[in-house]
Amino acid sequence: SSELTQDPAVSVALGQTVRITCQGDSLRTYYAGWYQHKPGQAPLLVIYGKNNRPSGIPDRFSGSSSGNTASLTITGAQAEDEADYYCNSRDSSGNHYVFGTGTKVTVL
Amino acid sequence: QVQLVQSGAEVKKPGSSVKVSCKASGGTFSSYVIIWVRQAPGQGLEWMGGIIPILGTANYAQKFQGRVTISADESASTGYMELSSLRSEDTAVYYCARAGYSNSWLDHWGQGTLVTVSS
Repeated sequence: SSELTQDPAVSVALGQTVRITCQGDSLRTYYAGWYQHKPGQAPLLVIYGKNNRPSGIPDRFSGSSSGNTASLTITGAQAEDEADYYCNSRDSSGNHYVFGTGTKVTVL
Repeated sequence: QVQLVQSGAEVKKPGSSVKVSCKASGGTFSSYVIIWVRQAPGQGLEWMGGIIPILGTANYAQKFQGRVTISADESASTGYMELSSLRSEDTAVYYCARAGYSNSWLDHWGQGTLVTVSS
């Protein structure tokens, strides 16, 4: 299968922790990337590989992976973290890329 | 730092074609995969295809096969995405992005180009 499935929406209280998951067969072979996407802006890579943050990404963002599931955790969520979050990886053939269905994170 | 700068917004008639450019600076253009992604209104991110400029070979999502052409000009550090036979459902923001050759993730993105298809 070339699909990556995410929960449509989650909410988190300010300062609390939220975990977003991404499920797909290809994640058994390929690491995921995680993107924060705000309206009117380009997606921003926040986590890649096993658990790596690009320069400038706060350390409250972390990633993990087990079996066919990749997870993004925001520890101590801030108001500015409210956004859509997408995972991506290769498909099972490795030749194409695939995006998750996206999760809308609301910070209460 | 790496920057991907895309061409400006376009308004097109149904049945026509659009060509969006993506100029890279601050990195080694040819050694990465240049990928095109779109987001239609209210929808998620959708991979369209990609190209490794140094190889010149592109591959495409099944959905766009036959309608999309992705190319690159190494000398200009610029990638291109041309979509033909446009219909209203192609109204979307189109992004270019860069990925490492052996990676799954896209580490730098263009600012996006809005393409509106309307009669």
